[in-house]
Amino acid sequence: NAGVTQTPKFRVLKTGQSMTLLCAQDMNHEYMYWYRQDPGMGLRLIHYSVGEGTTAKGEVPDGYNVSRLKKQNFLLGLESAAPSQTSVYFCASSSLDEQFFGPGTRLTVL
Amino acid sequence: GQSLEQPSEVTAVEGAIVQINCTYQTSGFYGLSWYQQHDGGAPTFLSYNALDGLEETGRFSSFLSRSDSYGYLLLQELQMKDSASYFCAVPTSGTYKYIFGTGTRLKVLA
Repeated sequence: NAGVTQTPKFRVLKTGQSMTLLCAQDMNHEYMYWYRQDPGMGLRLIHYSVGEGTTAKGEVPDGYNVSRLKKQNFLLGLESAAPSQTSVYFCASSSLDEQFFGPGTRLTVL
Repeated sequence: GQSLEQPSEVTAVEGAIVQINCTYQTSGFYGLSWYQQHDGGAPTFLSYNALDGLEETGRFSSFLSRSDSYGYLLLQELQMKDSASYFCAVPTSGTYKYIFGTGTRLKVLA
């Protein structure tokens, strides 16, 4: 039982490049989330999903897209990376009252 | 708007008791969660209060007063390993879309 896993763990991009972050969970949770965390800050919700095939915007969705084609996977895409997207990205899945977080992806955009 | 307020930093000595407060303002209220995050790590779930009162889990307790829009996390018999950031969070409007506070950094001194 791996819980929530994220790939990659680290990535460096140049401005304008694109990439996809993958999140997978093996707990059969309906709800999944993508957050970003900047130094000394809390977690800000980018997008979330309440079930397979559904997605919705969070607090800071601009510059990101998501897809949830399979219940266990939630993908976060950056179409054209910008330095302002340098951050640590956490994926989470939820069993009602408790969120389970992945280990995070540290992204640097130069 | 919806917001959660926490102190930015708290310092205490080993063996002491510390209380981390959280006040919230939300359009609907379903409960208050607490998460712990060590530097470089992912947030991990500590507790969830849906009803008024105190919930105890080992050295950690969490309290909620819905009438005061206020809760706190109480850590007893502090240990060095408790040095971490602590976040309160609320799900909004029954959507399981969570809002997190900006976090309280706890420093435990020897």
